[in-house]
Amino acid sequence: EPEVTQTPSHQVTQMGQEVILRCVPISNHLYFYWYRQILGQKVEFLVSFYNNEISEKSEIFDDQFSVERPDGSNFTLKIRSTKLEDSAMYFCASSQTGLYGYTFGSGTRLTVV
Amino acid sequence: GENVEQHPSTLSVQEGDSAVIKCTYSDSASNYFPWYKQELGKRPQLIIDIRSNVGEKKDQRIAVTLNKTAKHFSLHITETQPEDSAVYFCAASGGSGYSTLTFGKGTMLLVSP
Repeated sequence: EPEVTQTPSHQVTQMGQEVILRCVPISNHLYFYWYRQILGQKVEFLVSFYNNEISEKSEIFDDQFSVERPDGSNFTLKIRSTKLEDSAMYFCASSQTGLYGYTFGSGTRLTVV
Repeated sequence: GENVEQHPSTLSVQEGDSAVIKCTYSDSASNYFPWYKQELGKRPQLIIDIRSNVGEKKDQRIAVTLNKTAKHFSLHITETQPEDSAVYFCAASGGSGYSTLTFGKGTMLLVSP
C-alpha cells in the first residue's frame, strides 16, 4: 500500500532556530497537508497545498511558517524561528481528491529546547 | 469555521462489550466524516468514514451512523478486543474549509481482557 513518508522522525532544535520538516506524498496525490498534534491533544490543521500554492491555512499558520514543493516529490514545512510552543508531532498528509482518502505520514516529533 | 465536539474523553469497557463514541459538528455544509484510530506515538489511521448522503455504514465490527439534521455522528465498535485499545478521533470536512479536516479531541478507549 502506498505511504506518505516523513523525515526526520524526531528533530530536536534550539529555540529560535529554523527547522525544515520533509514529506514525500503519495505519487498520484494532488492535495498536500500539514497537521500538528501537541502531546495529548487533538490533531490540528495547519495548511493545505494544491496546484503549487496554499489553498487554505489556519490561524496557527502564521508568518513563521512556510511550505514548499521544491521538486516533483517533496513537500516541506519550514518554521523560521522556533518557539517552545512549536513542540509537537507534525503530520504530513496527502489526498488524491482533496476531500476523501487522506493518508497521513508517520509524523515528525519536533522538540524545541 | 467548523467545530467538532467528541464524547466521552475516556471509555473503559470489558472485552466483548460494545463501545460507542459520539461527535457533533457545527457546520451544516460539512459532508464527510472520517474516524481515525491512533495508537501511542503513531499516525492516525482511517478506520471508517461516512459521507452525508448515507445514514449508516458498517465494516465488520465497526459501524458509523450519521444524523445530518441533528449534526451528530457516532462510532460503534462491537465485540471489543484488547487490540482495539487506542485513541479514536472523529473529524469533519467539506464545509467552509473544503478539504480541511477538523478533528474532535479524541476518545481514549481501553478494552480490558
